[in-house]
Amino acid sequence: EDKVVQSPLSLVVHEGDTVTLNCSYEVTNFRSLLWYKQEKKAPTFLFMLTSSGIEKKSGRLSSILDKKELFSILNITATQTGDSAVYLCALVSGGSNYKLTFGKGTLLTVNP
Amino acid sequence: ETGVTQSPTHLIKTRGQQVTLRCSSQSGHNTVSWYQQALGQGPQFIFQYYREEENGRGNFPPRFSGLQFPNYSSELNVNALELNDSALYLCASSAGGYNYGYTFGSGTRLTVV
Repeated sequence: EDKVVQSPLSLVVHEGDTVTLNCSYEVTNFRSLLWYKQEKKAPTFLFMLTSSGIEKKSGRLSSILDKKELFSILNITATQTGDSAVYLCALVSGGSNYKLTFGKGTLLTVNP
Repeated sequence: ETGVTQSPTHLIKTRGQQVTLRCSSQSGHNTVSWYQQALGQGPQFIFQYYREEENGRGNFPPRFSGLQFPNYSSELNVNALELNDSALYLCASSAGGYNYGYTFGSGTRLTVV
């Protein structure tokens, strides 16, 4: 069965710090790995990763995938209080019938 | 219309009742999937529809069923509600295929008493 494990489960930092969130996985038929930010209800899309070693970047956020070691990281530099949220990692897997498997998420709290 | 919309936003039901939740996909999206998110947990995949056919299902019992309509909107039906069905139910739409991202709605908070 496909599995996604995120670490840490929660993290408290000060504004300006850099954080690294981890996502490791076990999968039978890998298609892609997704990162989402969830503040209240609707998760908002951050990144989709399909190839190893290619960094995706958006402002202060970046992410990379290692398909050999089966993990991904999400980096946030110069954190701001608005970065406080749950960050979710999700695996897309399967053949013609595919599915998403989410991790439990990392709760990031950025204090002023 | 852009974005994914879900209705209702909140719902209270009694154990044993049936419930229908609705989702309007983002314009141009032909794939919709449903998730159950319990408090403090990540979303759990219920099922996915592509062009009105179910093309993926998670580990949920048959009392969780769905439909996708020709306009790609969708319904999630849950029969014989149980207390532990209380959760946030999220719908997400996609342009189709696993190489596209999923856009989520704000969810329906279901409470079963």
